[in-house]
Amino acid sequence: GNSVTQMEGPVTLSEEAFLTINCTYTATGYPSLFWYVQYPGEGLQLLLKATKADDKGSNKGFEATYRKETTSFHLEKGSVQVSDSAVYFCALTLSGGYNKLIFGAGTRLAVHP
Amino acid sequence: ETGVTQSPTHLIKTRGQQVTLRCSSQSGHNTVSWYQQALGQGPQFIFQYYREEENGRGNFPPRFSGLQFPNYSSELNVNALELDDSALYLCASSLELAGNNEQFFGPGTRLTVL
Repeated sequence: GNSVTQMEGPVTLSEEAFLTINCTYTATGYPSLFWYVQYPGEGLQLLLKATKADDKGSNKGFEATYRKETTSFHLEKGSVQVSDSAVYFCALTLSGGYNKLIFGAGTRLAVHP
Repeated sequence: ETGVTQSPTHLIKTRGQQVTLRCSSQSGHNTVSWYQQALGQGPQFIFQYYREEENGRGNFPPRFSGLQFPNYSSELNVNALELDDSALYLCASSLELAGNNEQFFGPGTRLTVL
């Protein structure tokens, strides 16, 4: 079936460290891929997206590249800040039909000063 | 432009009761999806409404039902509540159905079933 697998957290980093959160997917067809972020006590916010192979999504210093050959969409940031502490969700929607999001389990990031 | 709003923010019910959660979609959006997020997990798709019709459903029993109104706001109803229904319920709206369209999420309703 269609699914998303993320690296388990929590990920604990010092401020200005490099961040990678791994995400791989299984899907039929050509999915669109997303990273959502959830800050404490809040709903989900779209961080970035990519709709076809080799696309790079970017926002607020975060980047992720849609790799069809490895079915991956890893999230990276060169220098994290304390304010980046949140839970990050990788997700996909399938081509055709309705835009149901299929989420990974989430990865909690804690950034310390 | 008003974002997605949900009410109530928190709710406490007992087993066997019924609950109604409400969602107002972002202005101009005609598609509303509902998700259940259990503690420590990713959101799970419940169902989606497009122009007042159910357009898709996840793996949830029939006691989870919904409505969409002409102004595209929506309700999620859960009958015969069970302890496992305790979760954050998220509503998301989008413009049309295309898979690459961004879904805008509300802050959620935290339901606790005792």
